Amino acid sequence: DIQMTQSPSSLSASIGDRVTITCRASQSISTSLNWYQQKPGKTPKLLIYAASSLQSGVPSRFSGSGSGTGFTLTISSLQPEDFATYYCQQGYVAPPAFGQGTRVEI
Amino acid sequence: QVTLKESGPALVKPTQTLTLTCTLSGFSVTSVGTRVSWIRQPPGEALEWLARIDWDDEKFYSPSLKTRLTISKDTSKDQVVLTMTNMDPVDTATYYCARQGGGETLPFDYWGQGTQVTVSS
Repeated sequence: DIQMTQSPSSLSASIGDRVTITCRASQSISTSLNWYQQKPGKTPKLLIYAASSLQSGVPSRFSGSGSGTGFTLTISSLQPEDFATYYCQQGYVAPPAFGQGTRVEI
Repeated sequence: QVTLKESGPALVKPTQTLTLTCTLSGFSVTSVGTRVSWIRQPPGEALEWLARIDWDDEKFYSPSLKTRLTISKDTSKDQVVLTMTNMDPVDTATYYCARQGGGETLPFDYWGQGTQVTVSS
């Protein structure tokens, strides 16, 4: 099975900061990588699919990049509503696997 | 409007079998391309994928839980049912059903609100 590893596990940032989260796959997954945002007590929300495609309705300050085994999620200017936990997920082959999450805190 | 809604018991005893139902709205479990998964999240922990069923009745399971899981669909009710046998306190979690969209990466684009399941005697 493919394992997904995110770093860091948590980070502290301020409003307006540029934030980057890294996700690494245990083997090449091409660009089959999705990103989700989950706020406390809420359902995960799809942000980016296929490594860099923005889901409809997601603000353009979110962007994704990468291929193969290394991927990044970038928030260009952190907003108050962006404080949440972010998960990557590989969609290359079953079973789909999630990273352990990155908590973005104030 | 696409929605999914989970239902099932909030409390189960160790060794019991859990049965969860996901009711679909706005799309059909038999429509070509429909894929519905179950995912769980223990308190304070990460998401864990459990199982998936496709429109053509193809099924996929988490290798680590395969012996305990059964996924099925009720086409007359547009429901997806997950059973998990031999429940243990470590199975305490919020259980979500989610639709997987199309394209190469099959992202989970619609989620139910989740149902909390506690395993305790």
